[in-house]
Amino acid sequence: VQLQESGPGLVKPSETLSLTCTVSAGSIGSYYWSWIRQPPGKGLEWIGYVHSSGSTSYSPSLKSRVTISIDTSRKHFSLRLRAVTAADTALYYCAREGGPAAFDDWGQGTLVTVSS
Amino acid sequence: EIVLTQSPATLSLSPGERASLSCRASQSVGSYLAWYQQKPGQVPRLLIYNASNPAPGIPARFSGSGSGTDFTLTISSLEPEDFAVYYCLQRSRWPPGLTFGGGSKVEIK
Repeated sequence: VQLQESGPGLVKPSETLSLTCTVSAGSIGSYYWSWIRQPPGKGLEWIGYVHSSGSTSYSPSLKSRVTISIDTSRKHFSLRLRAVTAADTALYYCAREGGPAAFDDWGQGTLVTVSS
Repeated sequence: EIVLTQSPATLSLSPGERASLSCRASQSVGSYLAWYQQKPGQVPRLLIYNASNPAPGIPARFSGSGSGTDFTLTISSLEPEDFAVYYCLQRSRWPPGLTFGGGSKVEIK
């Protein structure tokens, strides 16, 4: 499976960050698909997942601002993060969970900077 | 929310030495614990899943152990390419979700 993130690299404070992850060379069905981020020089943070059935789960710290959705017919899933601040500046990855906690395929990551 | 605490934050060792990294969970995660390696500028790589199963293509010097709340990643003999940051990750059934540990850096002494 190959994953590719896409979306704006610059978002203004208070606006909504929107990213899409396109899945190719494999099936999008029967898996959990996650978004993970990494602020510059810091550790990894799980944002949330969507299952191919449409069920979702989000990090408690981001739950009030996050929506993850999936379009299996177009083989992509998306992240929306509302009311962003500079603290949301990070490298955003999409990943496939091949087994419990086993992210076996990752996108290359896309840097999103929050700045006016 | 389950919290994962990794220790030590930094481990300074020489090539050929043995590295042991700890990951402690605030409550039991069963065996749904994985380990990742990340080098600068690179995507994280899955090393170990289900606490002790090596991912495909991972060298035999990497091993994982533990269950419940205490887990260990062991590198039996460090190679130059093993100096990196290592993260543990857990998946909980209820409430459903995942959390990463803060990471442990293995640096050259």
